[in-house]
Amino acid sequence: RKEVEQDPGPFNVPEGATVAFNCTYSNSASQSFFWYRQDCRKEPKLLMSVYSSGNEDGRFTAQLNRASQYISLLIRDSKLSDSATYLCVVNDSWGKLQFGAGTQVVVTP
Amino acid sequence: SAVISQKPSRDICQRGTSLTIQCQVDSQVTMMFWYRQQPGQSLTLIATANQGSEATYESGFVIDKFPISRPNLTFSTLTVSNMSPEDSSIYLCSVGDGNNEQFFGPGTRLTVL
Repeated sequence: RKEVEQDPGPFNVPEGATVAFNCTYSNSASQSFFWYRQDCRKEPKLLMSVYSSGNEDGRFTAQLNRASQYISLLIRDSKLSDSATYLCVVNDSWGKLQFGAGTQVVVTP
Repeated sequence: SAVISQKPSRDICQRGTSLTIQCQVDSQVTMMFWYRQQPGQSLTLIATANQGSEATYESGFVIDKFPISRPNLTFSTLTVSNMSPEDSSIYLCSVGDGNNEQFFGPGTRLTVL
């Protein structure tokens, strides 16, 4: 079983709509959680860290559910520029980061 | 966050040859890492580059195939040795901060013929 699993998508989202997707992780001892964004043929860029209480950064909201071992990302009022692959990242028992394969989001006009 | 550059940005190489990728950071960083991202796949950690000592390799990666240097706190190199087409991938260096966050260089796109 993979340490971090994501729905690969694509999630096709009309501009202005809301999209949400989850990521599950297998290691209950994980302490750090992140969402990265990766544009086509570019490096991953840190979007936001995910805190136990959940956190919001503008149109982006991240939640952590430790009991069910998943994190979520919600994007409100989607923009065309939000089209990207979103990588779920979790630290493992040795403090190393494990990357999910990514969820592709396509925002359409 | 630190500014990270990688050279070359891309290369096309013949099988059996070796390529050295450079990663330069504009400030001193404690943690540097090398990853591989194969087409359509997620990132896989190759090794942690340790300053002044041998790199720490992940399962499935060995020093003979992927020698790494880290002569100081701002620079590291990864060599892909005796390349085969299976080594075609994007190679990324990253630097870590104290919060487990990592920031990535622009990557090196390698094609092996």
